[in-house]
Amino acid sequence: DGGITQSPKYLFRKEGQNVTLSCEQNLNHDAMYWYRQDPGQGLRLIYYSQIVNDFQKGDIAEGYSVSREKKESFPLTVTSAQKNPTAFYLCASSFGPDYEQYFGPGTRLTVT
Amino acid sequence: LAKTTQPISMDSYEGQEVNITCSHNNIATNDYITWYQQFPSQGPRFIIQGYKTKVTNEVASLFIPADRKSSTLSLPRVSLSDTAVYYCLVDKAAGNKLTFGGGTRVLVKP
Repeated sequence: DGGITQSPKYLFRKEGQNVTLSCEQNLNHDAMYWYRQDPGQGLRLIYYSQIVNDFQKGDIAEGYSVSREKKESFPLTVTSAQKNPTAFYLCASSFGPDYEQYFGPGTRLTVT
Repeated sequence: LAKTTQPISMDSYEGQEVNITCSHNNIATNDYITWYQQFPSQGPRFIIQGYKTKVTNEVASLFIPADRKSSTLSLPRVSLSDTAVYYCLVDKAAGNKLTFGGGTRVLVKP
């Protein structure tokens, strides 16, 4: 059963702690993406990776870090430097730039 | 970076056709136009993609005029389950920095 998974669905952390969000896909996609969505807003691109061991900053990369050691996995770390980390985080993957993106179910992060 | 402009919201009734127009005045020659649908607390889902003229699939139609500075997503005979946010995106063939924007909130009423 192919797809893209994110875990956990809900995540709670205290301010000042780093937290890592998981994203896994078994669609054999080369490209993977992380977006952030705030209530009532559209999606904003945090980081994207078009190939293993390579990634680029999106529009709001400050306070976030990623790695792409395996084709299937693209974890996102929300660091304590991110000033407003509470948000809905969405991971996506695609075969490449001109192909549709498949989204995971999202992780809702709450930092207090 | 091509920017898109679409209405913030629109209401419709079950059984009607819904047309959402998106402006993308700075679209580049190698850009595609893609529409996604998003339900609350879920990831967006691809609806349709086109480059020029008209594209139709089992869910929607996409109309793109010759100058490609706008596009219209057409949802035929909507149902209550079509209530969602619809995003218009202009893809970059290189770099793939998609900009989702705020989308159009479509409310389908009974």
